[in-house]
Amino acid sequence: AQSVTQLGSHVSVSEGALVLLRCNYSSSVPPYLFWYVQYPNQGLQLLLKYTTGATLVKGINGFEAEFKKSETSFHLTKPSAHMSDAAEYFCAVRVTSGTYKYIFGTGTRLKVLA
Amino acid sequence: GAGVSQSPSNKVTEKGKDVELRCDPISGHTALYWYRQRLGQGLEFLIYFQGNSAPDKSGLPSDRFSAERTGESVSTLTIQRTQQEDSAVYLCASTPPGAGISEQFFGPGTRLTVL
Repeated sequence: AQSVTQLGSHVSVSEGALVLLRCNYSSSVPPYLFWYVQYPNQGLQLLLKYTTGATLVKGINGFEAEFKKSETSFHLTKPSAHMSDAAEYFCAVRVTSGTYKYIFGTGTRLKVLA
Repeated sequence: GAGVSQSPSNKVTEKGKDVELRCDPISGHTALYWYRQRLGQGLEFLIYFQGNSAPDKSGLPSDRFSAERTGESVSTLTIQRTQQEDSAVYLCASTPPGAGISEQFFGPGTRLTVL
C-alpha cells in the first residue's frame, strides 16, 4: 500500500532562510508525487508535481522538490523564505494500482519569522 | 473560468440530524474526489467518482456516509445521523480527463459543525 509521511507538523524559519519540508513515501511502483499549499482561509493549490522524467521539479513561487528514489523522498525546498510563504503544505502520492485515489500526508505548517 | 464550488460554506447542525454537502466540479472534469479534513489534521480520502461511478469508496468511515454524482457533474455527500466526530471541513476536488497525471483542483470546502 502506498503512503506518505511528512516529518514535522510545524516548521519555523527566518525570513530569507532556506525552507526545507520533508516528505517520504512508500510505494512498490514508481510514484506520482505532489506538493500542495493551503494558505490561510484558502483552498489547496498545486505547488508542483513529479510524474516521470527529470527528478528535480520546479514549481510556483520559487519552490522546488527533488525525487530521490533511493531515499524514497520528495522534499520541498525554497532557497529564501518570504513572509508570504507562511501556510500549510501537504505532500501527496497518487495510488497507481487498482484505484486512482490520492493519499495525503498530515501536513506541515510553515511559519516565517521576521 | 469557474473553479470548483461547494455549498454551503458553513453548516451547523445538531447531533442526529442528516446533512447534505454539495460539490460542483469544473465543467468537463471527469473525476471527482471527496476528502475530510479534521482540525489540525491532513486530508482523509473519502470517495472518488469517475464519471457517475464510484470505483473507490474505501474511505467512507461508516454506513452513515454516502455520496452520489449525477450527470458527470454535481456530487452530493450525505451524512446521516450526524455525530460530533463528523465535525470537519469537507473538501471536494476534480481532475480533468485524459491519460496524463493531473493535479486536483480543490473547492473552498464546507465547514461542518455538529453540536
